[in-house]
Amino acid sequence: EAQVTQNPRYLITVTGKKLTVTCSQNMNHEYMSWYRQDPGLGLRQIYYSMNVEVTDKGDVPEGYKVSRKEKRNFPLILESPSPNQTSLYFCASSNTGELFFGEGSRLTVL
Amino acid sequence: RKEVEQDPGPFNVPEGATVAFNCTYSNSASQSFFWYRQDCRKEPKLLMSVYSSGNEDGRFTAQLNRASQYISLLIRDSKLSDSATYLCVVNTNAGKSTFGDGTTLTVKP
Repeated sequence: EAQVTQNPRYLITVTGKKLTVTCSQNMNHEYMSWYRQDPGLGLRQIYYSMNVEVTDKGDVPEGYKVSRKEKRNFPLILESPSPNQTSLYFCASSNTGELFFGEGSRLTVL
Repeated sequence: RKEVEQDPGPFNVPEGATVAFNCTYSNSASQSFFWYRQDCRKEPKLLMSVYSSGNEDGRFTAQLNRASQYISLLIRDSKLSDSATYLCVVNTNAGKSTFGDGTTLTVKP
């Protein structure tokens, strides 16, 4: 089944404790992207990657890192999470412009 | 001013009604346009792409006006199952995608 898989789906953590949200797609898509969704602010792009070893900042990259060492994986790294990074995070992939989203990761930073 | 702006909503309509959503974008380098549907904080799913010539998929019609930088979605004969948040999405060729804040539709019996 074609899908985008994110883990963890839910996480409660504390300020400053490094965490990684993994994202994997099995559709051989070149393009992958991370978004966060907050009430009243819609979905905002954090980082995106047009292909392996190519990443670019989206609209809200501060406090996040990404890497794209393999085509299928695009992890989102929070080196030192802060409470303002509490949000719902979506990973997506695409080849033709249509974005396929993972189910989302709800992150709470205390 | 936001790069992509949608009607604020919410829209509450009776079953069978016709409802239209509008979206404007400010980046003239925008190349592709989409409408997504999102149910209750689940992941967004593609409803339809939007082409310059306009396109229709059953009860849904999407239109693009590049000169006015405007996108629309028309839903005819609304069903209860159409209740959701509708997101307008604008992409550049460089890979940047910008979402509108979404318009919430509630279809009532």
